[in-house]
Amino acid sequence: GENVEQHPSTLSVQEGDSAVIKCTYSDSASNYFPWYKQELGKRPQLIIDIRSNVGEKKDQRIAVTLNKTAKHFSLHITETQPEDSAVYFCAAPHFGDMRFGAGTRLTVKP
Amino acid sequence: ETGVTQTPRHLVMGMTNKKSLKCEQHLGHNAMYWYKQSAKKPLELMFVYNFKEQTENNSVPSRFSPECPNSSHLFLHLHTLQPEDSALYLCASSQFAGSTYEQYFGPGTRLTVT
Repeated sequence: GENVEQHPSTLSVQEGDSAVIKCTYSDSASNYFPWYKQELGKRPQLIIDIRSNVGEKKDQRIAVTLNKTAKHFSLHITETQPEDSAVYFCAAPHFGDMRFGAGTRLTVKP
Repeated sequence: ETGVTQTPRHLVMGMTNKKSLKCEQHLGHNAMYWYKQSAKKPLELMFVYNFKEQTENNSVPSRFSPECPNSSHLFLHLHTLQPEDSALYLCASSQFAGSTYEQYFGPGTRLTVT
């Protein structure tokens, strides 16, 4: 099975709505959880990350929440805009290496 | 953006060819990575180098051979590849190897094996 599971694989929202992407991980020692955005034909780029000593982090319209007990973390995008359309990847440590989720293709319809 | 560069950006090769992918980072990092990105699959970690030493080989077939001559350069030598090796190959770097450092990705090399 996968070390990091990500859901949903595709997500379509109307401009202005919120989008939520969830990931679960298996290594209970994990302490760093980044989210990457990959626009079509471009490289993945870090958009937000959270460390295990906090439960939530916000940066303007994006936020990440972490539940260490349940071993899951989520990306929240509010007031979505067409330029938010991309593939989003979560990642979590797995016994020393960073493992990535399979990605969520987010489409924001104008 | 010139933090992590990769060449070539596109490569088409036959199964009997030998080619190399190049990655260079200008961020002063000490760790470099090769990933394979296939459609609808997670990013697959292939190799990790920390201070020029290979610290991870994620069960990659021997037809992929990495080389790290210094902390700024990373190569992936390819020979006798299979069509299923067609994918986007991404290079990344971070300050140090490990799972608590942000990774910076290159633009990737789109490889097609015919």
